[in-house]
Formats: sequence, structure tokens, C-alpha cells
Amino acid sequence: DGGITQSPKYLFRKEGQNVTLSCEQNLNHDAMYWYRQDPGQGLRLIYYSQIVNDFQKGDIAEGYSVSREKKESFPLTVTSAQKNPTAFYLCASRDRGGANYGYTFGSGTRLTVV
Amino acid sequence: RKEVEQDPGPFNVPEGATVAFNCTYSNSASQSFFWYRQDCRKEPKLLMSVYSSGNEDGRFTAQLNRASQYISLLIRDSKLSDSATYLCVVNLVSGYALNFGKGTSLLVTP
Repeated sequence: DGGITQSPKYLFRKEGQNVTLSCEQNLNHDAMYWYRQDPGQGLRLIYYSQIVNDFQKGDIAEGYSVSREKKESFPLTVTSAQKNPTAFYLCASRDRGGANYGYTFGSGTRLTVV
Repeated sequence: RKEVEQDPGPFNVPEGATVAFNCTYSNSASQSFFWYRQDCRKEPKLLMSVYSSGNEDGRFTAQLNRASQYISLLIRDSKLSDSATYLCVVNLVSGYALNFGKGTSLLVTP
């Protein structure tokens, strides 16, 4: 079955460390997205990519980086510059021309700073 | 001003009740609209798209009022399993990212 796989499900980071969250999809979707969700804050857009080798900053890109070397993969790195990284991170995808279609989400990664 | 606004609730209703949620959006150029459902500590899942003519899926009815810039979701005959957070979602332009409201919490009680 097609879908989006995020890993790991839980991740613990020490202060000052960079960590990378994986997102892989086999839906043949062109567009991929990263959101962060904090309690009471809703989903906030970090980065998105419409095509391979291209991506744009979202509303809260500071302290994060991404790459899009393959259509199937859109990893997110949380750098040490991100001062409050503890959150639920969600990756999503959809067809590039699918404005009338919603996202398919991965099951998320819970990141905790220890 | 928030782009997508929802009453956070919680809405506590008994089984079998009818409940309605509203959502307002700020940008009149918005093109497409959705309702998502999110269970506790899970990813959001698409419940239904919202069309100008209104649309229904079983016990769920969605309406869009472009003139007033609001979207509604009506749930009839509420089930315990309907307990979740309902997210209102708006797409400004084709190809751009979706904007999510903060969600409305629903608790259906026996």
C-alpha cells in the first residue's frame, strides 16, 4: 500500500545536537511538506518542496534545514540553532496539481530535548 | 489576524446529538477547503473536502459560505468514536501549502 513513512517515531536530542527526521513516500507525489505541532498552537509550516532539488521556507524555518534530492524523500534536520525543538513533527505530501486534494500525512515524529 | 480561526471548544455532547463547528478564514482568494480529524497524539486525517454547493458524507455535512468567508461542519447522530479534534484547513492558491486552524475539540459522552 502507498503511504508516507516517518522515522523514528520518538527521538530524544541533547542540547546542542543536530538531529535528522526521515520522511519517505511511495505515492509518487510531487509536493512534500514539514509541519510542527505544539499543544494549542495548531500546525505550523516549516518547509515545503514542490519538486526535486527545490524547496521553500515556511513560516517557522529558522533552526531547520531540508533537502529534496529524490522525489520520495524529504528529510528534516533540526539544528542546534532551533532553541525550542520539543514538538510533534508531521510530514505530508500531495500531488503538485492537487489543489483540490488534501494532504496525506505520515504518523509523525515526537522530538524531545533532554 | 489569524488566517484560519476556529473555536477551540471543547464541545461536550451526548451520544446521538447534532453538533456544528464553524471556521472563518481571512483571505478571500482562498481556493480550496477541507476538514481534517485528529485523534490524540496521532496525525491528522482528511475527513472531507468542502465545496461551494455543500457536500455530505454519511452523518457529516460541510458547507462553504464564500461571501462571509466561513466554513461549517455538521455532525449528526454523534458517536463516541467521533471524539477528536477537528481541523479546518484552507488552501490559498494552487501549489502552496495548506493553512490549518488550531482545531475544535469534540467529546461525545455516553
